[in-house]
Amino acid sequence: NAGVTQTPKFQVLKTGQSMTLQCAQDMNHNSMYWYRQDPGMGLRLIYYSASEGTTDKGEVPNGYNVSRLNKREFSLRLESAAPSQTSVYFCASSEGASRGGYTFGSGTRLTVV
Amino acid sequence: GDSVTQMEGPVTLSEEAFLTINCTYTATGYPSLFWYVQYPGEGLQLLLKATKADDKGSNKGFEATYRKETTSFHLEKGSVQVSDSAVYFCALTANTGGFKTIFGAGTRLFVKA
Repeated sequence: NAGVTQTPKFQVLKTGQSMTLQCAQDMNHNSMYWYRQDPGMGLRLIYYSASEGTTDKGEVPNGYNVSRLNKREFSLRLESAAPSQTSVYFCASSEGASRGGYTFGSGTRLTVV
Repeated sequence: GDSVTQMEGPVTLSEEAFLTINCTYTATGYPSLFWYVQYPGEGLQLLLKATKADDKGSNKGFEATYRKETTSFHLEKGSVQVSDSAVYFCALTANTGGFKTIFGAGTRLFVKA
């Protein structure tokens, strides 16, 4: 099925460990995004990529890095995980500027102990 | 800065009841407005959208009208079903800097049979 695929679905890390969350879309969308979802706070933008070859910080970029590997793939890396990064992470994509709405992946639930 | 405020939940209704979830926003100019729905364990799905004043977005029996004068985009459905139980998010994308969407905190809806 066409859409946004995220891996892994669940992950437990120890404080200080690193990991990369993977995201791929097959809709030929230009723009991709990483959000985190925390209880009572809605979704907050971590990083986005307006088009292949570009990335920009969102609202909460500290502690994260991203790579737009090609038009399809946009990865999020935690270099040294902290308990405050325990959250559900969503990748999304849009055809262009997000005025048309997003297509979301099913999320990665990350716990840092 | 831009913001979205939606009514706190949870909202509990009986099947076939009328639903209203309030959403108001703060933004300069004419943002695009959205409602997303999130079912348990899944990512957000775009439910409906409106891109200019007085537009009505509709989908699956849900409706919302873009009211510029009251800066509101309330979600309504005439007769809810148990399958509508989910979390609903109101969101906006400004007409400047169109790669950043602001989400409300979400409203959880429970529908009882």
